[in-house]
Amino acid sequence: GAVVSQHPSWVICKSGTSVKIECRSLDFQATTMFWYRQFPKQSLMLMATSNEGSKATYEQGVEKDKFLINHASLTLSTLTVTSAHPEDSSFYICSANRGAYEQYFGPGTRLTVT
Amino acid sequence: PTSMDCAEGRAANLPCNHSTISGNEYVYWYRQIHSQGPQYIIHGLKNNETNEMASLIITEDRKSSTLILPHATLRDTAVYYCIVRVRDSSYKLIFGSGTRLLVRP
Repeated sequence: GAVVSQHPSWVICKSGTSVKIECRSLDFQATTMFWYRQFPKQSLMLMATSNEGSKATYEQGVEKDKFLINHASLTLSTLTVTSAHPEDSSFYICSANRGAYEQYFGPGTRLTVT
Repeated sequence: PTSMDCAEGRAANLPCNHSTISGNEYVYWYRQIHSQGPQYIIHGLKNNETNEMASLIITEDRKSSTLILPHATLRDTAVYYCIVRVRDSSYKLIFGSGTRLLVRP
């Protein structure tokens, strides 16, 4: 299958700081990428749809000013958690569409806010 | 179900009900091994599908399906998600709570 990478794989930051997470499709171009969040023992929750060259579409209840998404190229989307707080600690996972039917996931980024 | 188990080497059959599925919505299966990103397994529309990982059996009325892992191994222990892909151009995948499969030695 296709490869999607995320960087960093884990990050620890202090409360009030911002953290940027990168999602890259390594061997294909993706006009659409997705960002998910997963809390311990819970399922993945879709946060937003990232479209190359346009504004992201956020799911209901997700603060767009707190979770900034930029999809600047066909292989890179970034999620910036602004003014992070301990409740933002979670496992963040991105995915990328290859064509109409295939969607591949990254390995995830574990964020811990102290 | 929320969870199920099977013996190593045996077939694991994971059911999924999707009684309100629309005519052009696909059924997808993913799995997630602990602390990793979900892994694509298989997808189908109305015909049965098979690949190197699994088989997908979809009932004729498309209201339910079964994922079959023909010879389960310990590495197949994971949470399995059956997903009906949203019927719009965004191709969003909405995850439910999944079925936790435990493969016993």
